[in-house]
Amino acid sequence: AQKVTQTQTSISVMEKTTVTMDCVYETQDSSYFLFWYKQTASGEIVFLIRQDSYKKENATVGHYSLNFQKPKSSIGLIITATQIEDSAVYFCAMREGGSGSWQLIFGSGTQLTVMP
Amino acid sequence: NSKVIQTPRYLVKGQGQKAKMRCIPEKGHPVVFWYQQNKNNEFKFLINFQNQEVLQQIDMTEKRFSAECPSNSPCSLEIQSSEAGDSALYLCASSPAGTANERLFFGHGTKLSVL
Repeated sequence: AQKVTQTQTSISVMEKTTVTMDCVYETQDSSYFLFWYKQTASGEIVFLIRQDSYKKENATVGHYSLNFQKPKSSIGLIITATQIEDSAVYFCAMREGGSGSWQLIFGSGTQLTVMP
Repeated sequence: NSKVIQTPRYLVKGQGQKAKMRCIPEKGHPVVFWYQQNKNNEFKFLINFQNQEVLQQIDMTEKRFSAECPSNSPCSLEIQSSEAGDSALYLCASSPAGTANERLFFGHGTKLSVL
């Protein structure tokens, strides 16, 4: 069965620092896709970055990057040079690549607070 | 700004009442998902469609919940007889293709409160 676990309930950091949010997943599928989304205070959910399981290189988009450790079933999100506007709830999610696998399974989220 | 339009933003119902919410997916997106997000931020998949056809749905959806995505009309999710435990944020999301690597585009959600 698929499962995504985020153990960090909340994190507070100072502005302009780097933060890492943890996520571990469980899947029986050899092909899967890992996503990070953030949900702002207004409730808006925004896609940030994706890692494909068959790619060895860590994905990077802007000031977001991933630490993909496949043997540990881990996909950490790294945000560099954090800004106040990065304050949000961050969700890790997974979708298996097998046929008929439509569901995106979410973790329970990590609340990030960036302080001035 | 989200191009997936959900209405209404807030919905208040009494127990036993019907609750209906609507979603207009982003233009050109044939795949639509409904998720329920509870106060603990947990997401629960309810149902999804490709065009007008149901792809997957959970058992809960098959009982009190009904959903449809008719051609040329908004998609809708309806709870036939609301219960207090249905109070949650109902999120609609769409994607341009039914492939596993495709990201979802979310609406702002409908916050349902069942009194």
